[in-house]
Amino acid sequence: QPVLTQPPSSSASPGESARLTCTLPSDINVGSYNIYWYQQKPGSPPRYLLYYYSDSDKGQGSGVPSRFSGSKDASANTGILLISGLQSEDEADYYCMIWPSNAVVFGGGTKLTVL
Amino acid sequence: EVQLVESGGGLVQPGGSLRLSCAASGFTFSSYWMSWVRQAPGKGLEWVANIKQDGSEKYYVDSVKGRFTISRDNAKNSLYLQMNSLRAEDTAVYYCARVCRDGYNRIFDYWGQGTLVTVSS
Repeated sequence: QPVLTQPPSSSASPGESARLTCTLPSDINVGSYNIYWYQQKPGSPPRYLLYYYSDSDKGQGSGVPSRFSGSKDASANTGILLISGLQSEDEADYYCMIWPSNAVVFGGGTKLTVL
Repeated sequence: EVQLVESGGGLVQPGGSLRLSCAASGFTFSSYWMSWVRQAPGKGLEWVANIKQDGSEKYYVDSVKGRFTISRDNAKNSLYLQMNSLRAEDTAVYYCARVCRDGYNRIFDYWGQGTLVTVSS
């Protein structure tokens, strides 16, 4: 299975924006996949946030604020989760995911600290 | 209300076996693909296995192929994971998750609270 690369940690201050990245291996084109994002807080199961394929094909999880949005950087073969107007409650681990064929691949996760 | 409740975790010796269960309620269980996802202590998420609505298709991560078997009983609204030849690296919290499929989308939209499996002598 392919490996999705996420920075282990990221930090930003309340009210700022956080840009979390998920880089696909060079033999897998980010443009061909839905990128899914999950949030996990300590002691809880993951929560589905959103998916992004393109600006015309994207979706938000139930109850997920519009402050969470997705995008892609094709030149970097990367999926992006943007969290604007950071709040203390956004401090969590964030995982990207793709679903090539019938297998599932998660990124290693990014721990977001809201300073 | 959708609920997924895992059970069956515990301490097992290397080489041993364990069977996890996931009791589903609040939705038509037989209409959904289901999955197992695990998380080793302090580590990230790792998908383990998927099963189609009628059990006719099953898929596994390479590291568990030949050792783990996913199954389901739609009459009992239950999902299972039979784990054999367990290794220390199988130590993890095991989550049961519902798969919401919509076109090309495949979303883990509901998760259980997880059950801890510890493989140790």
